[in-house]
Amino acid sequence: ETGVTQTPRHLVMGMTNKKSLKCEQHLGHNAMYWYKQSAKKPLELMFVYNFKEQTENNSVPSRFSPECPNSSHLFLHLHTLQPEDSALYLCASSRAGGRLVHEQFFGPGTRLTVL
Amino acid sequence: DQQVKQNSPSLSVQEGRISILNCDYTNSMFDYFLWYKKYPAEGPTFLISISSIKDKNEDGRFTVFLNKSAKHLSLHIVPSQPGDSAVYFCAASDRGGSNYKLTFGKGTLLTVNP
Repeated sequence: ETGVTQTPRHLVMGMTNKKSLKCEQHLGHNAMYWYKQSAKKPLELMFVYNFKEQTENNSVPSRFSPECPNSSHLFLHLHTLQPEDSALYLCASSRAGGRLVHEQFFGPGTRLTVL
Repeated sequence: DQQVKQNSPSLSVQEGRISILNCDYTNSMFDYFLWYKKYPAEGPTFLISISSIKDKNEDGRFTVFLNKSAKHLSLHIVPSQPGDSAVYFCAASDRGGSNYKLTFGKGTLLTVNP
């Protein structure tokens, strides 16, 4: 596997379910990100992990819970979601550190539908 | 309030001609700008970037122009090819915040007709 992979690619869940999204990067990067893309809206940054430490939480509701066990893996745990949480969830990774902005490499996304 | 705006949701161009995608921003702290391309069912892929100390960056058929006084940047694709048909996102990063936080526009769907 190369690049950034995400599973599952599609997920349908009820509001009372608990599910998790998984992201894995094979690029040797140390920073990982979760983004949300809703219809007709820009990509919104949700969380940033830098060397496994969460460095950004962009006012995301607690029903979204990220986990980064190591620099290659990132999870997004979901529970008691609302229908308005239906969106494309994208994972990305990049080199980390310093004052340079490094381009981020994105996975294909998980299309989430909350019923 | 959107800090990065792509005011054209779509653009249609004939193969071989120039495609010009535009992006405006409001945050004067932005100092690095990127363009991403996205095909259906795939994640965005990095295309080209420019630092605020430059006004032009070229990579093959792709050139990005930055006009800081107007807070405007554009992506030129010459010549356009059918395989360039995709959604193009403009993104920006600010020097005051986290150096890895990107703010994205809504995207422009480019269609290149054979």
